[in-house]
Amino acid sequence: GAVVSQHPSRVICKSGTSVKIECRSLDFQATTMFWYRQFPKQSLMLMATSNEGSKATYEQGVEKDKFLINHASLTLSTLTVTSAHPEDSSFYICSARDAGGYGYTFGSGTRLTVV
Amino acid sequence: DAKTTQPPSMDCAEGRAANLPCNHSTISGNEYVYWYRQIHSQGPQYIIHGLKNNETNEMASLIITEDRKSSTLILPHATLRDTAVYYCIVRVEGYGQNFVFGPGTRLSVLP
Repeated sequence: GAVVSQHPSRVICKSGTSVKIECRSLDFQATTMFWYRQFPKQSLMLMATSNEGSKATYEQGVEKDKFLINHASLTLSTLTVTSAHPEDSSFYICSARDAGGYGYTFGSGTRLTVV
Repeated sequence: DAKTTQPPSMDCAEGRAANLPCNHSTISGNEYVYWYRQIHSQGPQYIIHGLKNNETNEMASLIITEDRKSSTLILPHATLRDTAVYYCIVRVEGYGQNFVFGPGTRLSVLP
């Protein structure tokens, strides 16, 4: 089945630094990928939709200059958290849809801790 | 996307069937019912989906009422590894459509 690889699985960074999270579709092409954020004991909240070769679409309240999304190829989308603050600490999850099929696959998530 | 209502938590004895209900009374004719689950600190895992007919796969069965206003996910023989948060989502089947997650049902399978 379709596999989405997310890296790193967990990262600790200092306040003010930037962190990049990668989301790769391993055995299929994904023209659209989604980025979610999940705070403890809460559900997943969509942050942005990443489209290959074009600008990402951000949900209301998500700062596009803080959460930079790049979807430069059909198998890779990256989320960069810039100038990270402790309140950015969260579980970040990506998902991708097989361009030739109908299924959505989620990555295993990245636990970001900003200290 | 239509909203869904699920009980916040349920318990199930190991080896017994787990029946997880979901209400989606405002579902539209072209919206599918999807079920995903999330084991602690992992990404959501697809379980099953359907439009109006009952569906079964190696993981679970999905029973959708005739009026499509509610559905039930059935795990026929729950194991401890089935302990997770289960999400019922209704959405239009269309390329580029994201999933809107509600709070889900936290299923605890007890030994």
